[in-house]
Amino acid sequence: GAVVSQHPSWVICKSGTSVKIECRSLDFQATTMFWYRQFPKQSLMLMATSNEGSKATYEQGVEKDKFLINHASLTLSTLTVTSAHPEDSSFYICSARQREVGTDTQYFGPGTRLTVL
Amino acid sequence: GENVEQHPSTLSVQEGDSAVIKCTYSDSASNYFPWYKQELGKRPQLIIDIRSNVGEKKDQRIAVTLNKTAKHFSLHITETQPEDSAVYFCAASPTGTASKLTFGTGTRLQVTL
Repeated sequence: GAVVSQHPSWVICKSGTSVKIECRSLDFQATTMFWYRQFPKQSLMLMATSNEGSKATYEQGVEKDKFLINHASLTLSTLTVTSAHPEDSSFYICSARQREVGTDTQYFGPGTRLTVL
Repeated sequence: GENVEQHPSTLSVQEGDSAVIKCTYSDSASNYFPWYKQELGKRPQLIIDIRSNVGEKKDQRIAVTLNKTAKHFSLHITETQPEDSAVYFCAASPTGTASKLTFGTGTRLQVTL
């Protein structure tokens, strides 16, 4: 149980285009989903926290107009990188936390490798 | 906000030896401490976690200890195997539905034959 999927697993796009990444909890309902960014050989940096039915909370320094997050249901959150540029190239990973009260565990998706040319 | 420091950044051990990774945190409100293992290009996988009402937890070859007074916690892997080679991340957070994890910088563990 507690499986999180992410789509696509990798994407290459031209500079200036937008890219949408989906994060789904397959066998549980996720009250909260998180979006992280990871550069090579570095740690996971939290970008934003997404709660179902409400606006995402962005970490300091993350542009909310560039990284659009939508959490339309208890099993789906999307991250859209708008007007992507080469510096946005990175490994993007989502995680989901189960709905049950008192559950702290975050389950991670397999990640999406974005390359912007 | 929370700050988590992790040491060492790299660790090389011989197969069968033990490996210890240490983390410190700054926020006394943190009370949930998971450890994740990440292989190259893969997702982080939870290997063990501990909450502040417990001082030690063990799962087969893996154990975690927590010292809330000193604000540090450690991962212990015994009888290491080549498949233990990966990057390990510690993290800390307060509990609650909106609480977020703050990750350490990671430790690259290499188990040699």
